Amino acid sequence: SQQGEEDPQALSIQEGENATMNCSYKTSINNLQWYRQNSGRGLVHLILIRSNEREKHSGRLRVTLDTSKKSSSLLITASRAADTASYFCATDQGGSEKLVFGKGTKLTVNP
Amino acid sequence: EADIYQTPRYLVIGTGKKITLECSQTMGHDKMYWYQQDPGMELHLIHYSYGVNSTEKGDLSSESTVSRIRTEHFPLTLESARPSHTSQYLCASRTGGTGELFFGEGSRLTVL
Repeated sequence: SQQGEEDPQALSIQEGENATMNCSYKTSINNLQWYRQNSGRGLVHLILIRSNEREKHSGRLRVTLDTSKKSSSLLITASRAADTASYFCATDQGGSEKLVFGKGTKLTVNP
Repeated sequence: EADIYQTPRYLVIGTGKKITLECSQTMGHDKMYWYQQDPGMELHLIHYSYGVNSTEKGDLSSESTVSRIRTEHFPLTLESARPSHTSQYLCASRTGGTGELFFGEGSRLTVL
């Protein structure tokens, strides 16, 4: 079953602009994670936010979590061409050992 | 840089062949996972393991099988490959129940 659903499916912006991606999920969670995937490669973990946290920062990344709306957003500030990748949210479905991924947002940053 | 390795990275084989995709990690992680991902699509969990001699099926039904005889090794086997098995297979591991996953670079399988 699909837990996370990212929105938009694709996003194209200019270098220097901010990029915002959203993720919605259906069941209760212990934490939500964001991952990045360059074309044809494995995923790389970006940031984890726990269910009792509302906002978290890491470098140019800002993640918010609204458990009442079952949604999260990932903001990349001052984007660079190197940020071009697919971004996935993943949730643990109420503490399950299984991490369930959404369909991803494909971000293109044009130089 | 994650210490989790997948081989082969690319494999093209004919229908009916038996294949094994290797996954090894040197981080001592108990939990390991196999995901299947078609190009540009979401990841689907097909197998996971909590530790040695533990294997479970994931959310997506798969004709593949896995084994976990050693902590560091989690191979995936297809006894008789078919074109429908063409996909990318991603191996991942983590320690603890809710931490981040470390992924390998993936094995891209094409069955002719």
